[in-house]
Amino acid sequence: SQQGEEDPQALSIQEGENATMNCSYKTSINNLQWYRQNSGRGLVHLILIRSNEREKHSGRLRVTLDTSKKSSSLLITASRAADTASYFCFFDGTYKYIFGTGTRLKVLA
Amino acid sequence: DAGITQSPRHKVTETGTPVTLRCHQTENHRYMYWYRQDPGHGLRLIHYSYGVKDTDKGEVSDGYSVSRSKTEDFLLTLESATSSQTSVYFCATKTRMNTEAFFGQGTRLTVV
Repeated sequence: SQQGEEDPQALSIQEGENATMNCSYKTSINNLQWYRQNSGRGLVHLILIRSNEREKHSGRLRVTLDTSKKSSSLLITASRAADTASYFCFFDGTYKYIFGTGTRLKVLA
Repeated sequence: DAGITQSPRHKVTETGTPVTLRCHQTENHRYMYWYRQDPGHGLRLIHYSYGVKDTDKGEVSDGYSVSRSKTEDFLLTLESATSSQTSVYFCATKTRMNTEAFFGQGTRLTVV
């Protein structure tokens, strides 16, 4: 399977703490994206990092990409209860776009 | 949501019946995708399209077929529905390769 793997599968933290989730993949990629999904609803795009980039920031989000290790991490700083959701990495293999298995994040108020 | 509409949003059908799900987009995006989402598996790619009449299989294509006769519509057909195809189905579109994807709100399909 080309599906990416994310860890941890589930993460529970206190509001204000940082949350880190990791994604590993098997193919060569052009870019890697992270999406958020709230309670089985549609997915919302968070950030895209290209294969020639190593780090990218967007607000409280920081994404790193290590193409030699075929891995990426998403850091959410100063987490809020509203960040409670599932987070998925999403990457391309030719025309196909493949998801990771997801991390369920719960932020406790 | 980039003008992506999935229909129906919910459907219950019987084993052995054919079912067609529709994804309609108003953004003229070239690439369209169908995924299914199941607990423990995340989202898995069923089929995708890179243009009108150009489609290809994803990871879990058995039991599914697709058609794209117009840019705006991508149809997913379950030829003979089985209980293992009970899932939430998401459609996605992209305008170009290295850009974000836009997702529909999903179709919850139950096969009884």
